[in-house]
Amino acid sequence: DIQMTQSPSSLSASVGDRVTITCRASLGISNYLAWYQQKPGEVPKLLIYAASTLQSGVPSRFSGRGSGTDFTLTISSLQPEDVATYYCQKYNSVPLTFGGGTKVEIK
Amino acid sequence: EVQLVEAGGGLVQPGGSLRLSCAASGFTFSNFGMNWVRQAPGKGLEWVSAISGSGGSTYYADSVKGRFTISRDNSKNTLYLQIYSLGVADTAVYYCAKAYLPGPPAASDIWGQGTMVTVSS
Repeated sequence: DIQMTQSPSSLSASVGDRVTITCRASLGISNYLAWYQQKPGEVPKLLIYAASTLQSGVPSRFSGRGSGTDFTLTISSLQPEDVATYYCQKYNSVPLTFGGGTKVEIK
Repeated sequence: EVQLVEAGGGLVQPGGSLRLSCAASGFTFSNFGMNWVRQAPGKGLEWVSAISGSGGSTYYADSVKGRFTISRDNSKNTLYLQIYSLGVADTAVYYCAKAYLPGPPAASDIWGQGTMVTVSS
């Protein structure tokens, strides 16, 4: 099975900072990659699908890039409401594996 | 409003069984595949199972294959997960989630609030 590795596992940044999270697949998955945000105590929320397509209603400060094995989620200007754990998920084939998550905090 | 509401969680003894359900509303249920995803306390997300819109194709994570059965009743707009031989490692919040597009298993755009399954003696 294809493994999904996220880095870093956690980060602390200041409001307004540009933040980038990486997700690496152990084999190529084309652009079948989604990003989710899970705020503390809340249900996961789809941010991006097809590696770079922003889900409706998601702020434009979020963006995704990548194809094949290497993907990134970028928050262009970190806001207090962005404190959350972010997960990538592959969906080119089953199993629909999630990455281990990246916890984002405010410095 | 698109909505998913899970039910059926609870405290179960090791080796026990449970059936989770997920009532869907606000979209054409039969057009979309559905997923079950679980999250153990303090841990990350784990995809568990998926089913096609018609119910004719089912998929499982290796960790649950042979013990979990996913099904759906499109006449009732309801998704199910039958869980057998529960172990402590199955303790988690179980989410049902709608695939964001029709067709093969896909990422999830709508999630239920989750139902907690606790396996303990």
